Amino acid sequence: AQRVTQPEKLLSVFKGAPVELKCNYSYSGSPELFWYVQYSRQRLQLLLRHISRESIKGFTADLNKGETSFHLKKPFAQEEDSAMYYCALRGTGGFKTIFGAGTRLFVKA
Amino acid sequence: GAGVSQSPSNKVTEKGKDVELRCDPISGHTALYWYRQSLGQGLEFLIYFQGNSAPDKSGLPSDRFSAERTGGSVSTLTIQRTQQEDSAVYLCASSQGRENEKLFFGSGTQLSVL
Repeated sequence: AQRVTQPEKLLSVFKGAPVELKCNYSYSGSPELFWYVQYSRQRLQLLLRHISRESIKGFTADLNKGETSFHLKKPFAQEEDSAMYYCALRGTGGFKTIFGAGTRLFVKA
Repeated sequence: GAGVSQSPSNKVTEKGKDVELRCDPISGHTALYWYRQSLGQGLEFLIYFQGNSAPDKSGLPSDRFSAERTGGSVSTLTIQRTQQEDSAVYLCASSQGRENEKLFFGSGTQLSVL
């Protein structure tokens, strides 16, 4: 069965501090993993995907198959990073995409 | 170009009534998804379509929920005999149905069951 776990509902950090949003998954094959973000009063949108190995807005995420994790990291948080973050998984053989419960990030001045 | 469009944006209904929520995906997108977003539950998968067929309906909470898609385009999510616990934001998303492709989300329908 597919499952995405985001253990933290709320994460509060000070501006300039490092931030890590945790994501663990359960899937028997090789999944596609994504991070989506929803800023206040905006639509949910893609932040980054594991296949691209990119850095978007200073955020990176590394797929660790041994630990079945895809944690999102940023070395220096900014106030504009305050948003709701969702980790998502898509399995092979179809396009069903499931999401975790989300983590709300607050970056304090 | 137009993004994913959902209507209505807000719906208030009485317990026991039926409601229909509509989703217009991006033109040419073959995959269409419905999710329910509620506090503490995150984004709950309901159903997805590939073309007009629904390979996975496993997320529909009960038989009061149904969805259809016609012409490989517009989709309707119907909730019969609504209950207060159905109150949530219902999100629709679409994609071209390719590997590692992102989902494009609509702005959602806020459903309130009184």
